[in-house]
Amino acid sequence: GNSVTQMEGPVTLSEEAFLTINCTYTATGYPSLFWYVQYPGEGLQLLLKATKADDKGSNKGFEATYRKETTSFHLEKGSVQVSDSAVYFCALRKPYTGNQFYFGTGTSLTVIP
Amino acid sequence: EAQVTQNPRYLITVTGKKLTVTCSQNMNHEYMSWYRQDPGLGLRQIYYSMNVEVTDKGDVPEGYKVSRKEKRNFPLILESPSPNQTSLYFCASTRAGESYTGELFFGEGSRLTVL
Repeated sequence: GNSVTQMEGPVTLSEEAFLTINCTYTATGYPSLFWYVQYPGEGLQLLLKATKADDKGSNKGFEATYRKETTSFHLEKGSVQVSDSAVYFCALRKPYTGNQFYFGTGTSLTVIP
Repeated sequence: EAQVTQNPRYLITVTGKKLTVTCSQNMNHEYMSWYRQDPGLGLRQIYYSMNVEVTDKGDVPEGYKVSRKEKRNFPLILESPSPNQTSLYFCASTRAGESYTGELFFGEGSRLTVL
């Protein structure tokens, strides 16, 4: 079946540290891949996306590359800020089969000054 | 402004008192969905709809009903709420189609407490 597995949290980093949140997926075919961010008390917002293999999504200093050979879409940022503290969700969209979305369980990130 | 609007944002109710959480989108999206978010469990899909009059169960449909009489609206109905339905609820929408690859757009969430 289709599923998304992401790194368990919580993750705590110091400001300006390097961030990686791992995400791997299971799906047949060619899903689209997404990272969503949920700031405290808010809904989910799209952070970045990639729709085909080797695509790199990027936004607000975050990046993720769609790696079909390793079925991964790891989120990275070179220098985190306190304002990046949030919960991050990896997700996939499976076309041609009802357009269903599958979410990881979320990774909570806290950045300390 | 393109948006998904949920109401109410916060609600405290008592066991057994029927309630409806409304969801409306202004983007002419075919696909709409309801999720609940609980600590340690991430997002779980309750129901979804591919278009008007077409709805289907997600992973956790028990205790919920939905309807899709108009394209823009997708209300979530709790006929007889119980404390285990205390949760944060999100409505979401997107375009649907065989090859569409775009993202889900989320509402701001409705925090429901059932006493």
